Amino acid sequence: QVQMVESGGGVVQPGGSLRLSCAASGFTFSSYAIHWVRQAPGKGLEWVSAISYDGSSQYYADSVKGRVTVSRDNSQSTLYLQMHTLKTEDTATYYCAKAYYSRWYFDSWGQGTLVTVSS
Amino acid sequence: DIVLTQSPATLSLSTGERATLSCRASQSVPMSHLAWYQQKPGQAPRLLIYGAFSRATGVPDRFSGSASGTDFTLVISRLEPEDFGVYYCQQYGRSPPITFGQGTRLE
Repeated sequence: QVQMVESGGGVVQPGGSLRLSCAASGFTFSSYAIHWVRQAPGKGLEWVSAISYDGSSQYYADSVKGRVTVSRDNSQSTLYLQMHTLKTEDTATYYCAKAYYSRWYFDSWGQGTLVTVSS
Repeated sequence: DIVLTQSPATLSLSTGERATLSCRASQSVPMSHLAWYQQKPGQAPRLLIYGAFSRATGVPDRFSGSASGTDFTLVISRLEPEDFGVYYCQQYGRSPPITFGQGTRLE
């Protein structure tokens, strides 16, 4: 069955960097766009970023544009999110989510990894 | 960007009752590209409805979605104990960016 497992979260100081990973299995990873969605503690869902099935196109929310880079390694079925210049408002659980081909709704989600930006 | 406004913020009902959750878009959502998710504490969201009307795999038929213009509705015909949680709508018709509603807590 489809499985997506995020890792790389932790505590980082404001201005710091962090790299999240999402290891996928149970489906043909290279055929699907994958997204990052985050959720601040006690808050709602916020879309962060997306990458096309082949990695040729990347998309970002205005709130993270210029500070975040999404990439993927289809040979390893792994998605990455490199985050720089982290702010306290980036504190959230980060989920990777599989899109249904070109329709950007999410039929599978990972369990999330918590990023805490605090001094 | 399309803003989605969900109402009510909290819905207090009992098992066996009917739940009606609303999601209003600030502009038209092309091709009714709207989805609904359920989230329980400590868990990732779960897809319930896509394309405004279609149930995702494994979703019970007590869940149904409908649309009228910029208004979208999720109905749970008879609440089961496992249905309580937070529900989010999401539009993917004009994206990026994808946008979510702020959620309705069903308690």
